[in-house]
Amino acid sequence: AAGVIQSPRHLIKEKRETATLKCYPIPRHDTVYWYQQGPGQDPQFLISFYEKMQSDKGSIPDRFSAQQFSDYHSELNMSSLELGDSALYFCASSLRTGNTEAFFGQGTRLTVV
Amino acid sequence: GENVEQHPSTLSVQEGDSAVIKCTYSDSASNYFPWYKQELGKGPQLIIDIRSNVGEKKDQRIAVTLNKTAKHFSLHITETQPEDSAVYFCAASKEGGSYIPTFGRGTSLIVHP
Repeated sequence: AAGVIQSPRHLIKEKRETATLKCYPIPRHDTVYWYQQGPGQDPQFLISFYEKMQSDKGSIPDRFSAQQFSDYHSELNMSSLELGDSALYFCASSLRTGNTEAFFGQGTRLTVV
Repeated sequence: GENVEQHPSTLSVQEGDSAVIKCTYSDSASNYFPWYKQELGKGPQLIIDIRSNVGEKKDQRIAVTLNKTAKHFSLHITETQPEDSAVYFCAASKEGGSYIPTFGRGTSLIVHP
């Protein structure tokens, strides 16, 4: 079965650069979530989209923005990167109308140097 | 918002022993409680879940119990094996609307052969 696909798997950026992370949800899933997981930490909710509209907002910094496109894939845009942004970024998808659980992608490991 | 507490943060057992991880939640409206297993460098993978209309659920060596009154739920792993070694996260969320899993801090389970 198809899973949540994230790209790239690894990304190294310098301070003050920008980064774009991509997420391709499971086919027919209508909801996408973004999480940030620091070293040894639990995943922290950033933002979610339902049917291409922003649904909920968590602890997403103002330097970050995200959107969901017509094909349901989502992109997390991160600007003015800081060392503290180094983390694993996970995308998850679910089918809200079917009350399904969230399935997570493999994550993108972002390292800011 | 929801707050999930998870204990212990680290659990070390011998192969064949049982392991128990406990979580508490704060929002009495939460009605869905998934457990995720995260191996190194991978995204969280759902291993078992329980809904608030059920007190216990079992799947082979894994079981989860839920006490709605006390707002706590537990993961039980019997006959542990070295491949059970991973970080386990509990989560709480509300089905039927905006589904955003709030994670506990995680438990690092180490099973010694």
